[in-house]
Amino acid sequence: GAGVSQTPSNKVTEKGKYVELRCDPISGHTALYWYRQSLGQGPEFLIYFQGTGAADDSGLPNDRFFAVRPEGSVSTLKIQRTERGDSAVYLCASSSITDTQYFGPGTRLTVL
Amino acid sequence: GIQVEQSPPDLILQEGANSTLRCNFSDSVNNLQWFHQNPWGQLINLFYIPSGTKQNGRLSATTVATERYSLLYISSSQTTDSGVYFCAVDSAGANSKLTFGKGITLSVRP
Repeated sequence: GAGVSQTPSNKVTEKGKYVELRCDPISGHTALYWYRQSLGQGPEFLIYFQGTGAADDSGLPNDRFFAVRPEGSVSTLKIQRTERGDSAVYLCASSSITDTQYFGPGTRLTVL
Repeated sequence: GIQVEQSPPDLILQEGANSTLRCNFSDSVNNLQWFHQNPWGQLINLFYIPSGTKQNGRLSATTVATERYSLLYISSSQTTDSGVYFCAVDSAGANSKLTFGKGITLSVRP
């Protein structure tokens, strides 16, 4: 596609439930990033993939968070046992060898 | 990790005015990007500028890497320029995580 796409655009869930957020990067981009943005803050890094492997997962807040990119294209961010503090906008970005990161529109997650 | 500070935190302009937004960072960088986050939350790339000067229409940016700062210039501001401007840097090598500043909220009044 022309840009990074993310689905769903909005997700409302109850505390304790499991959610999956999807990211489709720009075609041909080998690097894929997940960030999280809380209200009034800048995005914060979660995890970065180069191809299929997680090159840096140092930003994942705890073991309830996990992400995969099995074929080196689409990625899924998975959150288990959601908590109210997980509510935020989850942003995905991709880049090619030129380093410029292009962001998707985000998924707004609300945990009730 | 690297620290990113943006100033001023808030800026109110009359339409047609010029402005300068500043980004200071605490370490050498391989990547520096300026973004505009519109009211719908979309982060729009403005510049990839780890060093030097670039211009795109009414916007221009300069990064002085040796002094660890970058400036974003907006000339003849329009109401559509309103939103939050973020500076983000990566110091760990190519294709690595971006560290964002807290952003500058710009309001352009008609």
